[in-house]
Amino acid sequence: EAAVTQSPRNKVTVTGGNVTLSCRQTNSHNYMYWYRQDTGHGLRLIHYSYGAGNLQIGDVPDGYKATRTTQEDFFLLLELASPSQTSLYFCASSDAGGEEEQYFGPGTRLTVL
Amino acid sequence: SQLAEENSWALSVHEGESVTVNCSYKTSITALQWYRQKSGKGPAQLILIRSNEREKRNGRLRATLDTSSQSSSLSITATRCEDTAVYFCATPDDTNAYKVIFGKGTHLHVLP
Repeated sequence: EAAVTQSPRNKVTVTGGNVTLSCRQTNSHNYMYWYRQDTGHGLRLIHYSYGAGNLQIGDVPDGYKATRTTQEDFFLLLELASPSQTSLYFCASSDAGGEEEQYFGPGTRLTVL
Repeated sequence: SQLAEENSWALSVHEGESVTVNCSYKTSITALQWYRQKSGKGPAQLILIRSNEREKRNGRLRATLDTSSQSSSLSITATRCEDTAVYFCATPDDTNAYKVIFGKGTHLHVLP
């Protein structure tokens, strides 16, 4: 059973569009993360959370909002999408922050035209 | 701040050969992780090695950690085509224990 799921798997939108990426984990982990992955940059942290209602800013937060509604669900919101946000987005969960394994979802490929 | 980096962008080997991916990091760490990402998939952890460990194995994989030179290596023996993937090292952020910093990855191609 996949422990971290993401939806949609692929999304195409236009500049200025509104996009929500969803992530659900069934690991009972407190920590959840949103990354973007781009060639030449590796994985970059956008936002993260260590519990329902908590939100922390990552390293590349501009243009992104996030919300953690429950322990299981973490959403990434792009309210005015731009072509620079075309990327592969991964959600991950972890039991204990930076020193423990992160479990990744399958990714969402977002294209902003 | 980029704390961990792999030393090669890409490596190619033939099936059955051994290969080593190297990683260097910039500050003292409590643990280092190696991840593998296959095409079209999310990264998956291979090995976590803590600062008081010098070596850790997982099947055909062997990770070493040298805290004096601030480096780690991941060796794969008897490589298979399915080992073709991007390999990342990752360390905890030295300013924020909740975060993990990933290297940019080494692309390994295992040729038949």
